Amino acid sequence: GQQLNQSPQSMFIQEGEDVSMNCTSSSIFNTWLWYKQDPGEGPVLLIALYKAGELTSNGRLTAQFGITRKDSFLNISASIPSDVGIYFCAGRGFGNEKLTFGTGTRLTIIP
Amino acid sequence: SQTIHQWPATLVQPVGSPLSLECTVEGTSNPNLYWYRQAAGRGLQLLFYSVGIGQISSEVPQNLSASRPQDRQFILSSKKLLLSDSGFYLCAWSLGLQRGYTFGSGTRLTVV
Repeated sequence: GQQLNQSPQSMFIQEGEDVSMNCTSSSIFNTWLWYKQDPGEGPVLLIALYKAGELTSNGRLTAQFGITRKDSFLNISASIPSDVGIYFCAGRGFGNEKLTFGTGTRLTIIP
Repeated sequence: SQTIHQWPATLVQPVGSPLSLECTVEGTSNPNLYWYRQAAGRGLQLLFYSVGIGQISSEVPQNLSASRPQDRQFILSSKKLLLSDSGFYLCAWSLGLQRGYTFGSGTRLTVV
């Protein structure tokens, strides 16, 4: 089946720093999604990408759909305390209804 | 607008007891429905998904079962809980191939 490799697994940063995380797939995807999960809550969709090469922003968040269709990255600029949580990438292959989720990146902000 | 409800929010159950977690979606028709489990600090494991009433697909053999008695209702059950069933259970819905999933707020199950 499809597999997603998400990295890094965890990040420890100071407030104000920029953050970058990425996902790579073993197969081609036609949809990439990025979610954020706050502690004790369900994941919430941040950004959806539907075209290879697409670059989409949502406030301080920017995500890109890789040209090869096998990768995507998420950048967070000028991190703030509320950015803390687990970020998941998710992808969907052609003709596949189900999403495949990455293993998550846990973001911690050091005081 | 569409909303998804999960209950209860937290649950502590003894080993060997039955389980029933309910998920309902409002504001949409014929959604695809999903049950996920998340171990502490880990990723999301797809347990079951359903594309229609009475249609259930199981992703992982286990001590759990799922049912969809109505279009917008998805139930996760167990006849006898195991310690390894502890975790954070998430219900989600989606429409079509171009949409992402919308997750509920989750149920934290602790089996003691």
